[in-house]
Amino acid sequence: QSALTQPPSASGSLGQSITISCTGTSSDVGGYNFVSWYQQHPGKAPKLIIHEVNKWPSGVPNRFSGFKSGHTASLTVSGLQADDEADYYCSSYAGDNTYVFGSGTKVTVL
Amino acid sequence: QLQLQESGPGLVKPSETLSLTCSISGGSIDSGLYFWGWIRQPPGKGLEWIGNIFYDGLGYPNPSLKSRLSISFDSSRTQFSLRLTSVTAADTAVYYCARVRRFADYVDTWGQGALVTVSS
Repeated sequence: QSALTQPPSASGSLGQSITISCTGTSSDVGGYNFVSWYQQHPGKAPKLIIHEVNKWPSGVPNRFSGFKSGHTASLTVSGLQADDEADYYCSSYAGDNTYVFGSGTKVTVL
Repeated sequence: QLQLQESGPGLVKPSETLSLTCSISGGSIDSGLYFWGWIRQPPGKGLEWIGNIFYDGLGYPNPSLKSRLSISFDSSRTQFSLRLTSVTAADTAVYYCARVRRFADYVDTWGQGALVTVSS
């Protein structure tokens, strides 16, 4: 099990949109529609923001959206706000009741 | 509302066993809808899935940790525990316990995390 590949960093100005990619293999991202995304502020536990590729948990604004094509999933954050500055991690089911996380992306709001 | 709370020693010596407990409140282990799991995060690094346990006691470890890992429930079934043997400095991390929604495969509840440092 290798970590899913995410860009180390992404940035955008207030109000703009950014997209973060998450690349895996046919054994994880490409094989299942069970990709989730988590937001983590410094010193805090991660928070679920997208599950099953493009579904929102209760209370998460639809400024966050997910997509998947082939072995790559992506998270778009629209209308960037200051509080969106955080680390973002993707995760995928990898078969046999195992899971794998992405390497993480640090988002900076300019 | 479900709450999870990790507890255990914050310092473990190399080659010894790391043990952590996750206390569950506001929910029940006995649901076929969820796994109960552990996830860790080395300082300044990314998340790593450690393993899950199902309510029937079946464990599903990360293959890279399988030989050193044990996850179990306590007899009251209000806690579950992690044991990681033969630790090294590479096992230094914040350890999170978590509830994983089955058939959708996402973590819907996280503990606050517990830092465990492996050092002599």
